[in-house]
Amino acid sequence: EAGVAQSPRYKIIEKRQSVAFWCNPISGHATLYWYQQILGQGPKLLIQFQNNGVVDDSQLPKDRFSAERLKGVDSTLKIQPAKLEDSAVYLCASSLDRGKNTGELFFGEGSRLTVL
Amino acid sequence: QKEVEQDPGPLSVPEGAIVSLNCTYSNSAFQYFMWYRQYSRKGPELLMYTYSSGNKEDGRFTAQVDKSSKYISLFIRDSQPSDSATYLCAVSYNTDKLIFGTGTRLQVFP
Repeated sequence: EAGVAQSPRYKIIEKRQSVAFWCNPISGHATLYWYQQILGQGPKLLIQFQNNGVVDDSQLPKDRFSAERLKGVDSTLKIQPAKLEDSAVYLCASSLDRGKNTGELFFGEGSRLTVL
Repeated sequence: QKEVEQDPGPLSVPEGAIVSLNCTYSNSAFQYFMWYRQYSRKGPELLMYTYSSGNKEDGRFTAQVDKSSKYISLFIRDSQPSDSATYLCAVSYNTDKLIFGTGTRLQVFP
């Protein structure tokens, strides 16, 4: 079974530039998450989708971050304009369905962003 | 106060040692407790899952939850160099939205 795919793996940009990350979850997984993991910290939830609807985006900095999940499969996370403090690994995860799993989120390898 | 507190380490132990990793949490409403393992430059993967209080064992790994003291632990017996990773505890109200600790970096040397 293919895992969660993310791209690009690495991205270096200057502050105020824009960047986009792509995620393809495990086939059949209804729930998709974007987490931000700053060096030395645990992952922090940015946004959660159930199919193509947003369940929770309370911690997404909406003035600069946006995310979409068209057709309930792939998802894109965009940052515009980027700030230095956005340097982090952006992890995409998926799970079968809300409330029916055992806490098992399947994570991709992450997209590492460096903002200069 | 953070919802989940975890000592970042690093923790360095010899091969074969028993490792104890711990977290504390602040909200007694959390019902689900998990341990994820994260190798360098990889995404986290679920190691252990526990609902409410009690112990759960899986091979060399044992997870404990003490809801009265809001304390969760992961024990690794006969630790191996391949166990070297960052261990993240996570808590949840409903298995849906996970709140992670900062992670403890473990190194097991031969």
